[in-house]
Amino acid sequence: KAGVTQTPRYLIKTRGQQVTLSCSPISGHRSVSWYQQTPGQGLQFLFEYFSETQRNKGNFPGRFSGRQFSNSRSEMNVSTLELGDSALYLCASRGREGDTEAFFGQGTRLTVV
Amino acid sequence: LAKTTQPISMDSYEGQEVNITCSHNNIATNDYITWYQQFPSQGPRFIIQGYKTKVTNEVASLFIPADRKSSTLSLPRVSLSDTAVYYCLLKSNTGKLIFGQGTTLQVKP
Repeated sequence: KAGVTQTPRYLIKTRGQQVTLSCSPISGHRSVSWYQQTPGQGLQFLFEYFSETQRNKGNFPGRFSGRQFSNSRSEMNVSTLELGDSALYLCASRGREGDTEAFFGQGTRLTVV
Repeated sequence: LAKTTQPISMDSYEGQEVNITCSHNNIATNDYITWYQQFPSQGPRFIIQGYKTKVTNEVASLFIPADRKSSTLSLPRVSLSDTAVYYCLLKSNTGKLIFGQGTTLQVKP
């Protein structure tokens, strides 16, 4: 079956703009998590959704938001972009909330200039 | 949240067995120990999970002592393609996966 699909793969935005990233989980998976990866901070947890409800949230400012649709696809939005938001954004899906094995997508490389 | 500590980097040669140890002194009773592997510009990939004693799959073995305050990921006969970052995580019943800095394994020919 198809893996986790993230779009777009690469994105360049200007400071102050907003961006929306998309994640389609593995078919049948209902849990979607988002992570930000930077060289300095490593992999940091943003939030997790299960059945359209946010279950967990990391320590990120309110500029970072997300949602999940009834088909389990998820979007992540970052408003008022800052240079420090440049990162690889990874999405992971799990079959059930709390499953250990998470399947990650290839990520979206966001560059803010 | 329980924290994990692992070496920042390790070097090995092809064909050798590699053991990466992770410390988790404050592991909770219902935490599982999980390891992920990440190649550059790719998302992490689940390798193995355990609760206690020893777990083995086609990729690796995981050794967990009785006190569960540490764990060791063992990769048998590594090859160049095993060069990656390896993360040790504790997965609690909240489901949140918290990644540490990981161990960068460099396999040399």
